[in-house]
Amino acid sequence: QSALTQPASVSGSPGQSITISCTGTSSDVGGYNYVSWYQQHPGKAPKLMIYEVSNRPSGVSNRFSGSKSGNTASLTISGLQAEDEADYYCSSYTSSSTLRVFGGGTKLTVL
Amino acid sequence: EVQLVQSGAEVKKPGESLKISCKGSGYSFTSYWIGWVRQMPGKGLEWMGIIYPGDSDTRYSPSFQGQVTISADKSISTAYLQWSSLKASDTAMYYCARLNRGGDIDYWGQGTLVTVSS
Repeated sequence: QSALTQPASVSGSPGQSITISCTGTSSDVGGYNYVSWYQQHPGKAPKLMIYEVSNRPSGVSNRFSGSKSGNTASLTISGLQAEDEADYYCSSYTSSSTLRVFGGGTKLTVL
Repeated sequence: EVQLVQSGAEVKKPGESLKISCKGSGYSFTSYWIGWVRQMPGKGLEWMGIIYPGDSDTRYSPSFQGQVTISADKSISTAYLQWSSLKASDTAMYYCARLNRGGDIDYWGQGTLVTVSS
């Protein structure tokens, strides 16, 4: 069982917006602004999409945005495109370990 | 350009030893933590441990403590993940990754597939 809880799957049609949640506790997501999101296409290495809750690395589309409220972080993808179909993982700093923790991952399907 | 290049796929038998590598380039290898992440077939990402090549400070996830050894040779900008006695349950893709100043993974290696089967 992962330390952070994500929905197993979400789906949306091209052009729509979707949101993926990542729920933790006050010891991780809720207590620190160190939440990141990774995109992984099948057979590929993950890619950093959002870091420190809401920051986008250079080169990542501004259709991707991150936010946090209480113990839940969210990744929103607007203007959904076929190429966004992938697995998405959240990660957070946690006070209970020297290592970050991952969520279980969410499979995004673009209908 | 920052790059992490991992060694190739391995097929091993249970009980055999293995050491896989991750060579960093395009940045100061000794100034950033390197981590290892396991992904079992069809499953999610799991932290195994991290190492700071500058002084070899190493931290392990409790799940992997004693099961693997993480090391680094800063003279050749390479980090390693090794097993002394593989099990079938070690079959997985293993990624090395660089941690940025905030502790997030900003660069990933391409992955090394390890298959353990009799």
